[in-house]
Amino acid sequence: EAGVTQFPSHSVIEKGQTVTLRCDPISGHDNLYWYRRVMGKEIKFLLHFVKESKQDESGMPNNRFLAERTGGTYSTLKVQPAELEDSGVYFCASSQTQGDTEAFFGQGTRLTVV
Amino acid sequence: RKEVEQDPGPFNVPEGATVAFNCTYSNSASQSFFWYRQDCRKEPKLLMSVYSSGNEDGRFTAQLNRASQYISLLIRDSKLSDSATYLCVVPPLSGGYNKLIFGAGTRLAVHP
Repeated sequence: EAGVTQFPSHSVIEKGQTVTLRCDPISGHDNLYWYRRVMGKEIKFLLHFVKESKQDESGMPNNRFLAERTGGTYSTLKVQPAELEDSGVYFCASSQTQGDTEAFFGQGTRLTVV
Repeated sequence: RKEVEQDPGPFNVPEGATVAFNCTYSNSASQSFFWYRQDCRKEPKLLMSVYSSGNEDGRFTAQLNRASQYISLLIRDSKLSDSATYLCVVPPLSGGYNKLIFGAGTRLAVHP
């Protein structure tokens, strides 16, 4: 069974540009989470989808970040315009049912804004 | 004060050694905890769950001290393959895996 997959694995963009990260959860997982780790800091929660609905987006840093999950399958996280402090590793995770089952993480997208 | 604090290490130990690291948490109402393992440039993977006083799985033992608000992870008979960063994670008070709160991690390096 395929795990959580994220694309691209690395992205280097210039400040002010737009980047879109994609996450394909494990098939059948309704819950999808985005987290990120900026340099030297801990992994922090960004938001949580249940199917196509945003359940909790309290961790989104500002309105330059837009997450979507049309159709309740894969999700995209767009950063527009990117700033230097957005550099970090963006992780996606998915789980089968709300709360009680293990969340599996993807390998992350390493974003560098120069 | 951070919600979850860990000694960043690194802990450098020889193969076969026993090593332990602690994690402190700030919310006294927290009921359950996780230890995740993260290899370099890989995804975090669940190592152990801690729901009551502790949990043991082979060479790994996790203990919870509610009075002092810390969780410990003990690794016995260390292997080279144990080299990784160990993340202490606190789930929300409702339990489960939503909106996890991560510590910054403790690095372990096991050498021959």
